[in-house]
Amino acid sequence: GAVVSQHPSWVICKSGTSVKIECRSLDFQATTMFWYRQFPKQSLMLMATSNEGSKATYEQGVEKDKFLINHASLTLSTLTVTSAHPEDSSFYICSAPRLVVNEQFFGPGTRLTVL
Amino acid sequence: ELKVEQNPLFLSMQEGKNYTIYCNYSTTSDRLYWYRQDPGKSLESLFVLLSNGAVKQEGRLMASLDTKARLSTLHITAAVHDLSATYFCAVAGNQFYFGTGTSLTVIP
Repeated sequence: GAVVSQHPSWVICKSGTSVKIECRSLDFQATTMFWYRQFPKQSLMLMATSNEGSKATYEQGVEKDKFLINHASLTLSTLTVTSAHPEDSSFYICSAPRLVVNEQFFGPGTRLTVL
Repeated sequence: ELKVEQNPLFLSMQEGKNYTIYCNYSTTSDRLYWYRQDPGKSLESLFVLLSNGAVKQEGRLMASLDTKARLSTLHITAAVHDLSATYFCAVAGNQFYFGTGTSLTVIP
């Protein structure tokens, strides 16, 4: 099946620093990718839709200036958490849809811990 | 906004027993997905249901979809410990809408 990778798998950073997370579709092109956040024992919450060649679409309540998304190519989207704070600590998961098979493929996730 | 509810939220069952997890959603959709998530891991696709009456089975798990009732079920047959995980349903609208999740613990 299609593979989506994320890098890094986990990251610990100090409060106030910025962290970049990469999401790559390894064997297919994705004009759209999705970024989710998941807090412990909760469901996935869509943060934003990343669109290749245009601006990302953010869900209500998600600060676009804090969570910067860049869809640089048809296989790469990045999420940068700027000026991270402890409340940003979470599990971040990206996904990429393959419409021809009516599926979304999820990355392995990135666990962010902000001290 | 499409709402997706799962029932139950938490489930503890003995090995060998059967149980059904329910996924209700609020507006019309003909694409429903079931995923499994192990602790600290991402989502693993289990089933893709694309039409009313769709039924799919894989091992001890069977999923069905009733689009008229806006209901999907995930049936567990003769549970084993390896099935312990959190199970999510997701409904496709203009985005993916995830259910609340069902945390399943199978006790030996």
